[in-house]
Amino acid sequence: DAGVIQSPRHEVTEMGQEVTLRCKPISGHNSLFWYRQTMMRGLELLIYFNNNVPIDDSGMPEDRFSAKMPNASFSTLKIQPSEPRDSAVYFCASLRGFGEQYFGPGTRLTVT
Amino acid sequence: AQTVTQSQPEMSVQEAETVTLSCTYDTSESDYYLFWYKQPPSRQMILVIRQEAYKQQNATENRFSVNFQKAAKSFSLKISDSQLGDAAMYFCAYRRDNSNSGYALNFGKGTSLLVTP
Repeated sequence: DAGVIQSPRHEVTEMGQEVTLRCKPISGHNSLFWYRQTMMRGLELLIYFNNNVPIDDSGMPEDRFSAKMPNASFSTLKIQPSEPRDSAVYFCASLRGFGEQYFGPGTRLTVT
Repeated sequence: AQTVTQSQPEMSVQEAETVTLSCTYDTSESDYYLFWYKQPPSRQMILVIRQEAYKQQNATENRFSVNFQKAAKSFSLKISDSQLGDAAMYFCAYRRDNSNSGYALNFGKGTSLLVTP
């Protein structure tokens, strides 16, 4: 299996622009997680999907952030408009049942 | 909410020696899982070891073992015969064993491990 796939790996954008991060979970995994990693706050959960349905989005920082999972093989995290404080590494992870979470390689976002 | 604390921002160990990374957590749950993840400079998150709270026996994976003290809410990682490739950030993580609340991970802030020749 190719593992969890994230794109792009790096994104540099200007403040105010829309940013879309993409994730393809491992086939057969029914849960998907978006995490954000920063120096100040460490790794924190943004949102969690189970069977394509958002279960817990309490970690989404504000209305500028939105996430979708239109089908079992694709999810997006969108930031509109982006701000410099959104600069971070964004990870997607998936799991099947209650097993181990498998992480993607992350997307490093820089907002200037 | 569960909190995970890693009190050592940085640790250093000589090659072939043993090092222990500390982790404490706070929870009111009785059933949960604990994990150690390794994050090398490539930033890929790699599972090192996991421990189910209901198991009294400490988990081991080759050179990696844990000291799980449930009453003390302590979960330390011991790396034996340290290798240069062990240099990385290490994160302790907690997960509830409750499908209704999801299986998201709560992470500590991490410990940066330096391995010297």
